[in-house]
Amino acid sequence: ETGVTQSPTHLIKTRGQQVTLRCSSQSGHNTVSWYQQALGQGPQFIFQYYREEENGRGNFPPRFSGLQFPNYSSELNVNALELDDSALYLCASSPSLAGEGSEQFFGPGTRLTVL
Amino acid sequence: KQEVTQIPAALSVPEGENLVLNCSFTDSAIYNLQWFRQDPGKGLTSLLLIQSSQREQTSGRLNASLDKSSGRSTLYIAASQPGDSATYLCAVRPPGGSQGNLIFGKGTKLSVKP
Repeated sequence: ETGVTQSPTHLIKTRGQQVTLRCSSQSGHNTVSWYQQALGQGPQFIFQYYREEENGRGNFPPRFSGLQFPNYSSELNVNALELDDSALYLCASSPSLAGEGSEQFFGPGTRLTVL
Repeated sequence: KQEVTQIPAALSVPEGENLVLNCSFTDSAIYNLQWFRQDPGKGLTSLLLIQSSQREQTSGRLNASLDKSSGRSTLYIAASQPGDSATYLCAVRPPGGSQGNLIFGKGTKLSVKP
């Protein structure tokens, strides 16, 4: 069974640029969530995708957008990068949307640095 | 608004000690609580998931308890080892939101000295 994978591992961008981060969910999982973790903080929920539709969103501006593909992989796009966007971006998958709450399985993260 | 607090922020213990990490949350209405481990610069590894109807979960040397009414959870680590050194995060899933909407504490950084 393949776990959650993310690419790239590290990325350096300059302010104002755009970035795309990628995530492949764990085998059999159809729900993907994205989190932003600033240094020394806990992860903050960005949004979740289920069956290619956004299914919930945290307190992040519209320049944070995403996609989910038919194979359940996902992308996080950030436009007009700001210095404060520098963080570890984590992707998590879970087996289903229904039920009391399935366990979240996280990928290794993408470290984004904005200069 | 749900808030999750973890105390202490950092903890250093000698190898072999039993220890307890604390997590508190302000709203007792939760679906579940999950404990994670995070090594420096890495992703999160799920340790234990406790559903709202459960009181505790055990995995090997780890035992997590949940007291919804008081808004508290503890992670007990028995016979600590240097390999247990990491940051431990707890997260709650509130009802009504999407399933991925976990709310995290800032974590407890654990150092186990040989």
